[in-house]
Amino acid sequence: EVQLVETGGGLIQPGGSLTLSCVASGFTVSSNFMSWVRQAPGKGLEWVSIIYSGGYTSYADSVKGRFTISRDNSKNTLYLQMNGLRAEDTAMYYCAKEYGSSSVFDSWGQGTLVTVSS
Amino acid sequence: DIQMTQSPSSLSASVGDRVTITCRASQSISSYLNWYQHKPGRAPKLLIYAASRLQSGVPSRFSGDGSGTDFTLTINNLQPEDSATYSCQQSHSTPVTFGPGTRLEIK
Repeated sequence: EVQLVETGGGLIQPGGSLTLSCVASGFTVSSNFMSWVRQAPGKGLEWVSIIYSGGYTSYADSVKGRFTISRDNSKNTLYLQMNGLRAEDTAMYYCAKEYGSSSVFDSWGQGTLVTVSS
Repeated sequence: DIQMTQSPSSLSASVGDRVTITCRASQSISSYLNWYQHKPGRAPKLLIYAASRLQSGVPSRFSGDGSGTDFTLTINNLQPEDSATYSCQQSHSTPVTFGPGTRLEIK
């Protein structure tokens, strides 16, 4: 059974850094396209970043230069390092697995909440 | 980026009713439209992909239709567990984008 479990969220001051983790089971992270998607309070879902099976990465303009997606193949874990956090980064962050290369997210974690506030 | 809109933003219906949620794309996305169900504290769930294809394990009371710019999600015979937020997502172009969501309340 495919399972994704995110951790690492919390309360952080503006300008601070945080690293989110997503432990996967039931499939191999490095063989799949993996994304981070977030949902700010009262807003819709927003795609944040993707790491392709080949290792190439891509980011939403809103986080480019501040966030870094990576993975640890030995731990079957996806990461999102977030630097220079802003109030507008406050959101529930989900990791999601794509079905093939379809840009359809067929498995999601339950999310981890990041709150950026002083 | 392709903008996605949904209507209504929220609705309330009774057990056994049929409801339809509409999603519109700012440009043609062919049939690259997917629907998700999400509940607080739970992992979002893929319901429909490619506009009308039911994801494995999803009850057949859920159905999707449309192509181009206009799409619908219909839920027949509403059940209490269908209380959730429903979001559409286009997978035609990067970056993928989502609609703002429709909150469905079961009376």
